[in-house]
Amino acid sequence: EIVLTQSPATLSLSPGERASLSCRASQSVSTYLAWYQQKPGQAPRLLIYDASNRASGIPARFSGSGSGTDFTLTISSLEPEDFAVYYCQQRNNWPTTFGPGTKVEIK
Amino acid sequence: QVQLVQSGAEVKKPGASVKVSCKAAGYTFTGHYMHWVRQAPGQGLEWMGWINPNSGDTNNAHKFQGRVTMTRDTSINTAYMELSGLTSDDTAVYYCARDSQRLPNYYYQMDVWGVGTTVTVSS
Repeated sequence: EIVLTQSPATLSLSPGERASLSCRASQSVSTYLAWYQQKPGQAPRLLIYDASNRASGIPARFSGSGSGTDFTLTISSLEPEDFAVYYCQQRNNWPTTFGPGTKVEIK
Repeated sequence: QVQLVQSGAEVKKPGASVKVSCKAAGYTFTGHYMHWVRQAPGQGLEWMGWINPNSGDTNNAHKFQGRVTMTRDTSINTAYMELSGLTSDDTAVYYCARDSQRLPNYYYQMDVWGVGTTVTVSS
């Protein structure tokens, strides 16, 4: 089973700042990596699929990059509604697995 | 409007079973695989398995094999997940989530989620 590690566990930033979230896989997942956003009391929302493709309706300030074992989710300028937990997920190997999450909190 | 409507919260005793329902609306239910994902309190996301609503075929994570049963009723566009032999470790929010791809493909990308069903296991 592929293990995904996310860093940092918590990111404290102010609105308007740039956020960079990391996801590292225990072995190559090619580009079969997705990112989800989850707010308290809500279901996750698909943001990015296949490492760099924005899902439908996702603002352009969200971007993804990487391949193999190292991936990054970037939020170019944080909006108040972006403070949430972000999870990465790989689908290259069965079973699909999720990372432990990065919480982006208001500084 | 595409949505998944899940059944309400459940409280169960250890050793019991729980059956969670997920009713699809706004799209062709038999056109997309349905996944089940759970989240223990304060924890991350854990994939449990999928069902092909068209054929009824299922695939479950090894951890849940023998304990989970996924079924569907195409006449009412509803998927079900039943988990047996409950322990306190099964206390979690259970989500159904649609696969983003149309059958016959499935990509384990989940683009529509239900709001979740809280299952509490307590004596």
